[in-house]
Amino acid sequence: ETGVTQTPRHLVMGMTNKKSLKCEQHLGHNAMYWYKQSAKKPLELMFVYSLEERVENNSVPSRFSPECPNSSHLFLHLHTLQPEDSALYLCASSLQGGETQYFGPGTRLLVL
Amino acid sequence: AQSVTQPDIHITVSEGASLELRCNYSYGATPYLFWYVQSPGQGLQLLLKYFSGDTLVQGIKGFEAEFKRSQSSFNLRKPSVHWSDAAEYFCAEAGANNLFFGTGTRLTVIP
Repeated sequence: ETGVTQTPRHLVMGMTNKKSLKCEQHLGHNAMYWYKQSAKKPLELMFVYSLEERVENNSVPSRFSPECPNSSHLFLHLHTLQPEDSALYLCASSLQGGETQYFGPGTRLLVL
Repeated sequence: AQSVTQPDIHITVSEGASLELRCNYSYGATPYLFWYVQSPGQGLQLLLKYFSGDTLVQGIKGFEAEFKRSQSSFNLRKPSVHWSDAAEYFCAEAGANNLFFGTGTRLTVIP
């Protein structure tokens, strides 16, 4: 499998659920990113990991918790989400921070 | 603060017509610039990028972009649009740890 993969592709969850989004890159990159894309809003950067360390966290609510166990995998743990958190969550990777990013297909999340 | 501006939220063109999508960046004498395309419900796909050298950059799917330092612009062009080009287009500039994205331009193609 090549490129950046994300699972699941679609997720429906209640506000009291706990779920996790997974991202895996097969490009040998060292940096990984989470973005949130809501309807009619700009792409929002959530988290940046470089060499498995978090280097940027753009004031994201604590109900979103990222985890980067190694340079190939990135998780986004979700708990007690709100309906306004419904969005397309995109993962990306790059060789280093600030370089060309390659995106996964996204996870479409619906919070009921 | 570093930012990227895409002035056009939505553009409609006829199939076969030429296309130009505008992008202005705000930071850096030697910026790293990108154009991405996103089809509905999909991730972003890299169309082309500019790091240095020739100011006219060729990309995939017949797209090109021209870097103009004097205008702080990096406009995307295509001589003849196909119906399959209907999508959202994002311009981006590299920062220290990340890319700064514009708000996107939605392209509609009329048969």
